[in-house]
Amino acid sequence: ELKVEQNPLFLSMQEGKNYTIYCNYSTTSDRLYWYRQDPGKSLESLFVLLSNGAVKQEGRLMASLDTKARLSTLHITAAVHDLSATYFCAVDSGSRLTFGEGTQLTVNP
Amino acid sequence: NAGVTQTPKFRVLKTGQSMTLLCAQDMNHEYMYWYRQDPGMGLRLIHYSVGEGTTAKGEVPDGYNVSRLKKQNFLLGLESAAPSQTSVYFCASSWENYNEQFFGPGTRLTVL
Repeated sequence: ELKVEQNPLFLSMQEGKNYTIYCNYSTTSDRLYWYRQDPGKSLESLFVLLSNGAVKQEGRLMASLDTKARLSTLHITAAVHDLSATYFCAVDSGSRLTFGEGTQLTVNP
Repeated sequence: NAGVTQTPKFRVLKTGQSMTLLCAQDMNHEYMYWYRQDPGMGLRLIHYSVGEGTTAKGEVPDGYNVSRLKKQNFLLGLESAAPSQTSVYFCASSWENYNEQFFGPGTRLTVL
């Protein structure tokens, strides 16, 4: 059974600081997705990582995938308040995704 | 192009009542999914469908049934609602062989 673990689950950081969210998974997969969810809202697709070594960047967020280590990272550079949200990674196991528990990020002024 | 829509947005049921949640997508996606989201538990897959007329169980299928009679619609049924089914339900869809999923706005269900 595929297990997906994110850490940290809660992250409070100051504006302007950098931090990394980690997503580990237990079985082989070449595809991983990152989503963002604002309070009371739906999930929005952020990044699609489709192979080992894939790196995607959008603004202050950068995601990478190491399929050999079964690890993806979501790096936040110079955080701003607008990045406050819950971030989920999801691992592709064929016709379905398995989601991590989510990392609740709060960026403080 | 509405994407993925869900009906209703909110619902309150009494224990033992039944209801059907409707999900519709206009992206011609082959795959559709129903999830529930509970605090501290992320998203858990209830049932999914890989094409019209097909359905499969996810992680937490008990107490739910689904049907996919038309490609664009995926229905989630609760035959006899229980308080443990109080949750936010999300529908999602994706293309075959490319599993970036697009989510609907959610249905907030309370069972008293």
